[in-house]
Amino acid sequence: DAGVIQSPRHEVTEMGQEVTLRCKPISGHNSLFWYRQTMMRGLELLIYFNNNVPIDDSGMPEDRFSAKMPNASFSTLKIQPSEPRDSAVYFCASTSVGGEQYFGPGTRLTVT
Amino acid sequence: QQPVQSPQAVILREGEDAVINCSSSKALYSVHWYRQKHGEAPVFLMILLKGGEQKGHDKISASFNEKKQQSSLYLTASQLSYSGTYFCGTERIGGGGADGLTFGKGTHLIIQP
Repeated sequence: DAGVIQSPRHEVTEMGQEVTLRCKPISGHNSLFWYRQTMMRGLELLIYFNNNVPIDDSGMPEDRFSAKMPNASFSTLKIQPSEPRDSAVYFCASTSVGGEQYFGPGTRLTVT
Repeated sequence: QQPVQSPQAVILREGEDAVINCSSSKALYSVHWYRQKHGEAPVFLMILLKGGEQKGHDKISASFNEKKQQSSLYLTASQLSYSGTYFCGTERIGGGGADGLTFGKGTHLIIQP
């Protein structure tokens, strides 16, 4: 299995631009999670989906952030417009029932 | 609410033992432990479900005291490869095993030869 796949691995953009992060979960996993990691705030849950349905988006910091999961093999996290404080590493993770979450390699986002 | 991990950092000689603690103010369904090396993604170590569970593999084990809402990770005869940051992630009661995790701030573990 290829594991959780994320793209791009690195993204540098200017403030005000739209950013789209992509995630392909492990085949057969029915839950998908988006986390953000910064030095100041650590590893934070942004949103998660069960069977492609958003369950809890209370961690999404602002309306500038949105996430979709149109099918079982693809999810996006979009930031529009981006701000320098959005700079972080964004991880996608997936799991089947049973709980252990497998993390993707992450997308390092830098907003200048 | 974020679980509290202690210690924040620990430096060991190869072969020494370490204990990392994780404490929550909320009733927990499960506790997950992950290790993250610099520039890499967190890697799953083990999950403990409510019920006083203990688990282990190789020389890494963990316990979960649901009454105290605490978990501890035990590293025995540490190896250089154990270096990294250890995170506990907690899942609230009602999550059913498919809930998002709330992570502690991490414990930095450095193993010296």
